Amino acid sequence: EIVMTQSPATLSVSPGERATLSCRASQSVSSNLAWYQQKPGQAPRLLIYGASTRATGIPARFSGSGSGTEFTLTISSLQSEDFAVYYCQQYNNWPHTFGQGTKLEIK
Amino acid sequence: QVQLVQSGAEVKKPGASVKVSCKASGYTFTSYYMHWVRQAPGQGLEWMGIINPSGGSTSYAQKFQGRVTMTRDTSTSTVYMELSSLRSEDTAVYYCARELTMIVVAPLGYWGQGTLVTVSS
Repeated sequence: EIVMTQSPATLSVSPGERATLSCRASQSVSSNLAWYQQKPGQAPRLLIYGASTRATGIPARFSGSGSGTEFTLTISSLQSEDFAVYYCQQYNNWPHTFGQGTKLEIK
Repeated sequence: QVQLVQSGAEVKKPGASVKVSCKASGYTFTSYYMHWVRQAPGQGLEWMGIINPSGGSTSYAQKFQGRVTMTRDTSTSTVYMELSSLRSEDTAVYYCARELTMIVVAPLGYWGQGTLVTVSS
């Protein structure tokens, strides 16, 4: 099973600033990496897939990068609605494992 | 538009089984794989398994092997997830989620609203 490790567990950032979230895979997942956003009481929402492709309707301030084992999600200028928990997931191999999440909170 | 509508909350006793349904609409049901993901209270997301609605083939996470069964009914465009021998640690919100595209490997582009299963004596 591929283990996905996200860092940091919690990130405190002020609105308007940039946030950088990291995700590491225990073995290569090629570019088969997705990022999801989850707000309290809601289902996760797909943000990024293929490591760098924005899903439909996702604002351009969200960007993803990386391949192999190291991945990054960057939010260029945080808006109030961006404060949430973010998960990465590899879908290269079954089981399609998730990271433990990064909570993005208002500083 | 794609919609996944799940069945309502359940309360079960330890040792019992639960069967959660997920009714799909807005697309060709047999064309996209469906996954099940769960989330314990205050915890992260845990992938449980996948079903091919076309042929019914499944693959389960090893953790759930022997306890989970995923099935589908093509006449009603519904997938089911049954979990047996429930214990308190199975208390969680269970989500069905459809793959974004029909290619071989794809992320989860559409999610159901979630079903809370509470296991308590």
